[in-house]
Amino acid sequence: DIQMTQSPSSLSASVGDRVTITCRASQSISSYLNWYQQKPGKAPKLLIYAASSLQSGVPSRFSGSGSGTDFTLTISSLQPEDFATYYCQQSYSTPPTFGQGTRLEIK
Amino acid sequence: EVQLVESGGGLVQPGRSLRLSCAASGFTFDDYAMHWVRQAPGKGLEWVSGISWNSGSIGYADSVKGRFTISRDNAKNSLYLQMNSLRAEDTALYYCAKDGGNSAYYPLWSLYYFDYWGQGTLVTVSS
Repeated sequence: DIQMTQSPSSLSASVGDRVTITCRASQSISSYLNWYQQKPGKAPKLLIYAASSLQSGVPSRFSGSGSGTDFTLTISSLQPEDFATYYCQQSYSTPPTFGQGTRLEIK
Repeated sequence: EVQLVESGGGLVQPGRSLRLSCAASGFTFDDYAMHWVRQAPGKGLEWVSGISWNSGSIGYADSVKGRFTISRDNAKNSLYLQMNSLRAEDTALYYCAKDGGNSAYYPLWSLYYFDYWGQGTLVTVSS
């Protein structure tokens, strides 16, 4: 199975900050990388698919980049509603696997 | 509006069985593969199983292979997960999730990413 490793595991930031979360795959996955946001008690929500494609309805302050083994999720200007846990997930091969999550907290 | 509503969770003893259901609406159900993804309390996400639009292709995580069976009924817009020989480590919130790719446009049976999720149904395996 392909292992996905996110860094950092947790992050404190302030409203208005630019934030970057990194995801690394244990082998090349081309651009088959997706990002999800999960708020407490809620289901995950797809933000980015295919490394850099913004899911419909997701604010443009979210962006994704990368290919091969290294990927990033960037939030250009943090809003209060962005404080949540973020997961990356590879869709290159089965089984699809997720990173361990990055918890984004208010500073 | 896409809606996925899971049901069937509950408290069950180790070794027993449980059947989860997911009722789908707001999209053409038989155009899409569907999946089950679970999340143990306080933990991350784990893909459990997926099924193609016509049930012709099915996949399972190694952790559930031989114990769980996924199925669907396109006439009822419903997805199911039959869980047998349950273990304590199967305790989790089970989410039904829609595949990100329309089977009419892609040669693969699944794109293995999940664009809509239900709210989940909790399965607790304990004596």
